[in-house]
Amino acid sequence: DAKTTQPPSMDCAEGRAANLPCNHSTISGNEYVYWYRQIHSQGPQYIIHGLKNNETNEMASLIITEDRKSSTLILPHATLRDTAVYYCIVRVGATDSWGKLQFGAGTQVVVTP
Amino acid sequence: GAVVSQHPSRVICKSGTSVKIECRSLDFQATTMFWYRQFPKQSLMLMATSNEGSKATYEQGVEKDKFLINHASLTLSTLTVTSAHPEDSSFYICSARWASGVSDTQYFGPGTRLTVL
Repeated sequence: DAKTTQPPSMDCAEGRAANLPCNHSTISGNEYVYWYRQIHSQGPQYIIHGLKNNETNEMASLIITEDRKSSTLILPHATLRDTAVYYCIVRVGATDSWGKLQFGAGTQVVVTP
Repeated sequence: GAVVSQHPSRVICKSGTSVKIECRSLDFQATTMFWYRQFPKQSLMLMATSNEGSKATYEQGVEKDKFLINHASLTLSTLTVTSAHPEDSSFYICSARWASGVSDTQYFGPGTRLTVL
């Protein structure tokens, strides 16, 4: 499996952009990068995913480097409700057609007023 | 996004009893569902993969006779914790896989907090 590395914690000011980095240097060519977040005592929430190109939706933007060895999740205008643990996950690859997700420790993001 | 529900949201039971947790995909059909367990201050740990109409596949170290999984329809998977003990107390979360084209997404339920006395 490709592993991911994320900083354990980040602080962000309300109203500012939050840039969450993720390293996945051993990612395979057919593996996608997924981002989820988990607010305390809730199930994870899907944010966004991508393969090669940058992606944007109503929640966030995903920037993937050209060599695909790292990515950045951007929350454009952080709010207090964005305080959560953010998980960067590379989906288990071609040997697993069921698409299992393996969660790491993630990044605890705290948005402050 | 797609909606996944779980029932119950919280359950307290006595040691030795069995507890059933339901996971439903409300607005899409899911041939594959997943069950996770999360202990306090830890990340999610995948327990098993549930495929509609076939036996579940368990991760290493997860006892299949203790955690019974049934995926009888495209919108419902159940996890039964048999003869529960205090060490089984945890946060159980399911997800349902929504496949579209070449990529797919898992949507998660809100979780079930199990406390075994």
